[in-house]
This record gives sequence, structure tokens and C-alpha cells, in this order.
Amino acid sequence: GDSVTQMEGPVTLSEEAFLTINCTYTATGYPSLFWYVQYPGEGLQLLLKATKADDKGSNKGFEATYRKETTSFHLEKGSVQVSDSAVYFCALTTYSSASKIIFGSGTRLSIRP
Amino acid sequence: GAGVSQSPRYKVAKRGQDVALRCDPISGHVSLFWYQQALGQGPEFLTYFQNEAQLDKSGLPSDRFFAERPEGSVSTLKIQRTQQEDSAVYLCASSLWWQATLEQYFGPGTRLTVT
Repeated sequence: GDSVTQMEGPVTLSEEAFLTINCTYTATGYPSLFWYVQYPGEGLQLLLKATKADDKGSNKGFEATYRKETTSFHLEKGSVQVSDSAVYFCALTTYSSASKIIFGSGTRLSIRP
Repeated sequence: GAGVSQSPRYKVAKRGQDVALRCDPISGHVSLFWYQQALGQGPEFLTYFQNEAQLDKSGLPSDRFFAERPEGSVSTLKIQRTQQEDSAVYLCASSLWWQATLEQYFGPGTRLTVT
């Protein structure tokens, strides 16, 4: 079945460090790919998305590129801030799954001042 | 505008009790989803409505779980005879339509603790 695998956390970085969170997927159809973020005490919210191969999603300084050849959608940010501390979920949907989201297990990110 | 709201935010139930969790989606959103998030895990799909029709309930873990959306707006997830393994955060999400590329908007969740 369809699935998402992302790097395990927790990940701890210093402010202004470069961030990569790896994500790979398995899907029978042609998926849309998402990164959702869950800030402490808040609900899940969409961070960025990409709906076809080679698309780059970006938001708040974060970027991820849909790589069909490597079935990957790695999240990157050039310079993280303390306010980026949260749990990040890689996810996918496919038309065959009637749009239900399949999530990875999440990566907790902590940024030290 | 108002987002997705859920109530109650926290619920403690004794094992064997029935519980009902409510979701108010964004007005006009056709699709509504329920997810279960265990501690330290990603959310897992439970069930999906398009208007009042429940089109997919493949994720419901047992026949103790039941969901409804009778008028195509508010939805209720009911869990009968709760067990400790039902302890989790239950998330509701809505989207404008059923298209796979569309964003789903999540509510804050209901944290259920079964003692």
C-alpha cells in the first residue's frame, strides 16, 4: 500500500543552521506530496505542497522538491529560527485513495538559540 | 473566517463508557475526514464523508467506532465501550472538495484518555 517514510527525530540544531528532513514515499498512483507542521499546542497546518514531478513547494523559507525518480520530497531550510521548533510530517494523497492523507511518523525539530 | 472546530478538546472516559466527539467543518466544505493520532505518531485515517455520504470507513479500527454527518455539515465520531487502546488525539479535517491536490484544514483535535 501507499506509505511515507521520514527521518526519525528528534533533530536538534542551533539557530541559523541548515535543515534537511528526509522523506521518501511509496505510492501506486501519482501522488500529491505535502509537508504539514504541528507547532506546540496548535493544530496541524499545511506548510507546503507539490502536485507533480519536479515541482518545488515553498513557504516561510522552507522548500521541498518532488523527485519522482528517487520518490523523495526532502524538506530544507537555509537558516532555521527558534520559532521553527515543531513536529514536521511528510504526507501524500492520491486520487485512488479518495484524497485521504497518508502521513509519515513525524520528525520533532528543536532549535537552540 | 472560522476554521475547523472540535469539541470537547479533552475527554477522560472510564473503560467501557461511550463517547461522542464533535467536528464543525469550515462552512461550505464538502469533504470531511477523521484521523486518529497516537502519541508520538503521525495521524492515521479513520473515515471520510462527501457531504452526508460516508464514502470510506476502511480506517475504523473496530465496529465500536461509528461516524455520521447527517446533514452534510457537523460530524460526530462515536466510540462505544471505550478501551485503553482508544486513547489518542482524534483530528477532524475538511476540504472544499474531494480533489487530492486540495489542502485539508485541520481542527485542534480532541484528546481522549481512557482510564
